[in-house]
Amino acid sequence: DADVTQTPRNRITKTGKRIMLECSQTKGHDRMYWYRQDPGLGLRLIYYSFDVKDINKGEISDGYSVSRQAQAKFSLSLESAIPNQTALYFCATSDQGQGVGGELFFGEGSRLTVL
Amino acid sequence: AQSVTQPDIHITVSEGASLELRCNYSYGATPYLFWYVQSPGQGLQLLLKYFSGDTLVQGIKGFEAEFKRSQSSFNLRKPSVHWSDAAEYFCAVGAAGGFKTIFGAGTRLFVKA
Repeated sequence: DADVTQTPRNRITKTGKRIMLECSQTKGHDRMYWYRQDPGLGLRLIYYSFDVKDINKGEISDGYSVSRQAQAKFSLSLESAIPNQTALYFCATSDQGQGVGGELFFGEGSRLTVL
Repeated sequence: AQSVTQPDIHITVSEGASLELRCNYSYGATPYLFWYVQSPGQGLQLLLKYFSGDTLVQGIKGFEAEFKRSQSSFNLRKPSVHWSDAAEYFCAVGAAGGFKTIFGAGTRLFVKA
């Protein structure tokens, strides 16, 4: 089984619907992240969490919310999906800060299409 | 502000040929630099990283990268490309003492027989 698991892997929904993307990890890492990938833009950080009580906005948090239910679980929600939220979403974990050489471990991604 | 530029959106090389993917960064101090690879339908995997010491770093799958402070570059190289190297490659920078990774837009590598 993958160390970082995302569900669902693919989802098609309609404008205005609420969507939740779930992430669970078995690596025992405290730090978890949600990124969004768009062609030509690379990966952009949506939210990050250093532990269950510590959640922070990234560079593109508008229209998204998160919940850290446990050390191993970090969910991303779109309260009212819109077409420009169509993208590939990645969950990632790390065991130390990126600036001290920490490696990010990624899930396989959740492809979301909003019609 | 920190930024990462990968000038080539896509590159095509013949199998067995050498490869160099370019990466330039903007950062006020010594950066922490990474190369990740994304195979089709997969998440990103770390190829190599640099944060101090020898400026030529070795990674997995036969890749290496060289940090050149004077050019603000961290180019990725491989002497002989295999068809399985076809993927998208991302250069990234992390801030010293920080907690966020900034990614470049990526370079998609195509390998022709």
